[in-house]
Amino acid sequence: QVQLQQSGAELAKPGTSVKLSCKASGYTFTSYYIYWVKQRPGQGLEWIGYIYPGNGGTYYSEKFKGKATFTADTSSSTAYMLLGSLTPEDSAYYFCARQGLPGSWLFAYWGQGTLVTVSS
Amino acid sequence: DIQMTQSPSFLSASLGNSITITCHASQNIKGWLAWYQQKSGNAPELLIYKASSLQSGVPSRFSGSGSGTDYILTISNLQPEDIATYYCQHYQSFPLTFGGGTKLELK
Repeated sequence: QVQLQQSGAELAKPGTSVKLSCKASGYTFTSYYIYWVKQRPGQGLEWIGYIYPGNGGTYYSEKFKGKATFTADTSSSTAYMLLGSLTPEDSAYYFCARQGLPGSWLFAYWGQGTLVTVSS
Repeated sequence: DIQMTQSPSFLSASLGNSITITCHASQNIKGWLAWYQQKSGNAPELLIYKASSLQSGVPSRFSGSGSGTDYILTISNLQPEDIATYYCQHYQSFPLTFGGGTKLELK
């Protein structure tokens, strides 16, 4: 079955970076888009963008351009998101998710989320 | 960007009752609308796609309807496990956006 296993919680200082991981299993990693979503505690969902591991293509929502960078390692079926120049406003849960059927822009499978806390 | 407006933000209902949540898009999204359920401490789960198609494994007491800019999620015969926050999401174009969420509580 499709599974997305995310890395553990991060505590980071302002101005630094964190790299989150999302290890996929149960399907062909290169055939489906991986999305990233931000959720501040008690708040709604924000789409950050996607990476297509098949060719490394990426899309970033305007708000997250320059903040997030997506990469993927096809040898380990793992997607990564680098968050840079951290501020307290970046403190949130970050979810990876996989699209549904190819061509559908649905969040059909989700990782468990990674909590990032930015504090001095 | 397409804005998604959900109402109500909070909803209190009794077990066995039916509830409806509405989602309004700022432009015609042609039925490219999904609903998600998020239980406390968990990741969201896909319930409904293409406005009215039930995701595999989702109970039939969940249903969706709508077209154009206005969509509805209905939960019939409310069960304790339905207590959660519900989000709509359009996928008509980029960027993908979510509604603000509706928190469902037991009365």
